[in-house]
Amino acid sequence: GAGVSQSPSNKVTEKGKDVELRCDPISGHTALYWYRQSLGQGLEFLIYFQGNSAPDKSGLPSDRFSAERTGGSVSTLTIQRTQQEDSAVYLCASSLAVSLPSTDTQYFGPGTRLTVL
Amino acid sequence: GQNIDQPTEMTATEGAIVQINCTYQTSGFNGLFWYQQHAGEAPTFLSYNVLDGLEEKGRFSSFLSRSKGYSYLLLKELQMKDSASYLCAGMDSNYQLIWGAGTKLIIKP
Repeated sequence: GAGVSQSPSNKVTEKGKDVELRCDPISGHTALYWYRQSLGQGLEFLIYFQGNSAPDKSGLPSDRFSAERTGGSVSTLTIQRTQQEDSAVYLCASSLAVSLPSTDTQYFGPGTRLTVL
Repeated sequence: GQNIDQPTEMTATEGAIVQINCTYQTSGFNGLFWYQQHAGEAPTFLSYNVLDGLEEKGRFSSFLSRSKGYSYLLLKELQMKDSASYLCAGMDSNYQLIWGAGTKLIIKP
């Protein structure tokens, strides 16, 4: 596609429910990144994928967070038993990154705004 | 630890010049990125510096001093549309981006 797309754009959920966020990277981009941004804060790295594998899961805040990527394209970030502190904008980015490590520019999607009541 | 410091907010006048500073401490260094983020939108790439010196790109320029752990973004001929947050991010030895909290730039007519 023309750019990184994410869905849903907004998600309101009740505490304790599970949510699934989707990211569709730029076609041909092999690297995919998930970040979290709380209001007025910088970006917090969560996880990245090179192809379908995730070499670094150290940024995931807890075991309630998981992510997968299939077919080297679409990725889903799942948050189980959501808590109010999970409320944030979840941003996905992709880069060409034919091989890692890479300094290739990351292109961001519009984000999913998650609100946990 | 790793850290990126930049001012929280700056105000400038339309048509003027503004310099947004960023100091970084990363475990290893693989370059310094600047991104622009309009309110409610995703960050968009502005510049990447990995060598010392000034990189000029139209009205925007970015400078890096590796010995000082310092970078700045220079915006000339400010326009109202430049009102946004500017994010500084350093890339560490693992090629991970360490992000600053962003500098909110307010442009006044």
